[in-house]
Amino acid sequence: DSGVTQTPKHLITATGQRVTLRCSPRSGDLSVYWYQQSLDQGLQFLIQYYNGEERAKGNILERFSAQQFPDLHSELNLSSLELGDSALYFCASSVFEGGTGNTIYFGEGSWLTVV
Amino acid sequence: AQSVAQPEDQVNVAEGNPLTVKCTYSVSGNPYLFWYVQYPNRGLQFLLKYITGDNLVKGSYGFEAEFNKSQTSFHLKKPSALVSDSALYFCAVRERGYGQNFVFGPGTRLSVLP
Repeated sequence: DSGVTQTPKHLITATGQRVTLRCSPRSGDLSVYWYQQSLDQGLQFLIQYYNGEERAKGNILERFSAQQFPDLHSELNLSSLELGDSALYFCASSVFEGGTGNTIYFGEGSWLTVV
Repeated sequence: AQSVAQPEDQVNVAEGNPLTVKCTYSVSGNPYLFWYVQYPNRGLQFLLKYITGDNLVKGSYGFEAEFNKSQTSFHLKKPSALVSDSALYFCAVRERGYGQNFVFGPGTRLSVLP
């Protein structure tokens, strides 16, 4: 168990809908990362937060947004969902932000299926 | 820009034989290098990392990796493979410096045959 908690584990929703994925980082970790894993795209970095502030942005669509709250948990909001958004969404956390050798630890992921 | 290549999509090895999963990278400067393993329907688990110092890094479950700066490689190795090592392995690189992020390779599926 990495200590990173993600909910829900599985989610099935219809096209056009909006969902929210939730992540609680490991105790003491200030940085949260979101990744998308799909069969054809591999592991894609979406966005990173550090202590409530956005730090880095990757291949995140405009229909997606995220935030990190004062208690350090994070939410990834996916809207106007399309079939192609079906994927495994991972949250990861680390103590510090980029540039150091600290390790990021992954949650078990949230499986999103858009039908 | 950072990039990571894992030249083999699939590696098959017999149980008890040594295994190697290859990784090469392209970054400016000296990177931090990581290996993660993903079992079916699970998240990525950290195996080991290279920060500085000894080029041979030892990690979890008997795995080790060798950093080769001249060849820009960080191959994952294990002297004797187990069937339970069968999984998806990811190499990742992170440049030193503020604001740098992880870049993951495409993954290599390791199958250890009994």
